[in-house]
Amino acid sequence: GENVEQHPSTLSVQEGDSAVIKCTYSDSASNYFPWYKQELGKRPQLIIDIRSNVGEKKDQRIAVTLNKTAKHFSLHITETQPEDSAVYFCAAIVPNTGNQFYFGTGTSLTVIP
Amino acid sequence: NAGVTQTPKFQVLKTGQSMTLQCAQDMNHNSMYWYRQDPGMGLRLIYYSASEGTTDKGEVPNGYNVSRLNKREFSLRLESAAPSQTSVYFCASSALTGFHEQYFGPGTRLTVT
Repeated sequence: GENVEQHPSTLSVQEGDSAVIKCTYSDSASNYFPWYKQELGKRPQLIIDIRSNVGEKKDQRIAVTLNKTAKHFSLHITETQPEDSAVYFCAAIVPNTGNQFYFGTGTSLTVIP
Repeated sequence: NAGVTQTPKFQVLKTGQSMTLQCAQDMNHNSMYWYRQDPGMGLRLIYYSASEGTTDKGEVPNGYNVSRLNKREFSLRLESAAPSQTSVYFCASSALTGFHEQYFGPGTRLTVT
């Protein structure tokens, strides 16, 4: 099956700085890469996603980039705010496994006011 | 519109006991999923149901069974609980499999002693 690795496992940044979380995947057939945010004690929620035919996607302060050749994708958060503090999960879908989501192990982001 | 609901929220079992986790969605979604979340392991798919009447194994199905009762409801059964099944269980649903946002329930925290 797919193997998704996510780094770093923890990340602390000062408010206003940028944060970058990176994921790599193993199966070149993967074609969809969502990012989920999970606040403490809450359920995961989708914040942004990208398909394999797109190299970059932005939504206000967050962006995702995809490098299919290198099989890695990254989440970029600019002008971080305390409410960005959460655990972020990347995921990859492999079509020939019934479109199963394979999640990374998560990054705990802390934004220091 | 409650979205995805799960019962119970918390449960403590003794080794060897059985129980069923219930999940329901009111978004008229076709696809439903069960995940477990363990510290440092991210979210791992246990079983999923691409559409009413179908179920398939995910990444970690051993020790679990599922039933897609109807389009709204998808239950997860532990026949003989083991301490290794101590985890937080999330149900999720999506319109279809693939490029579709998965909406998660609030989770069930299960402890097996």
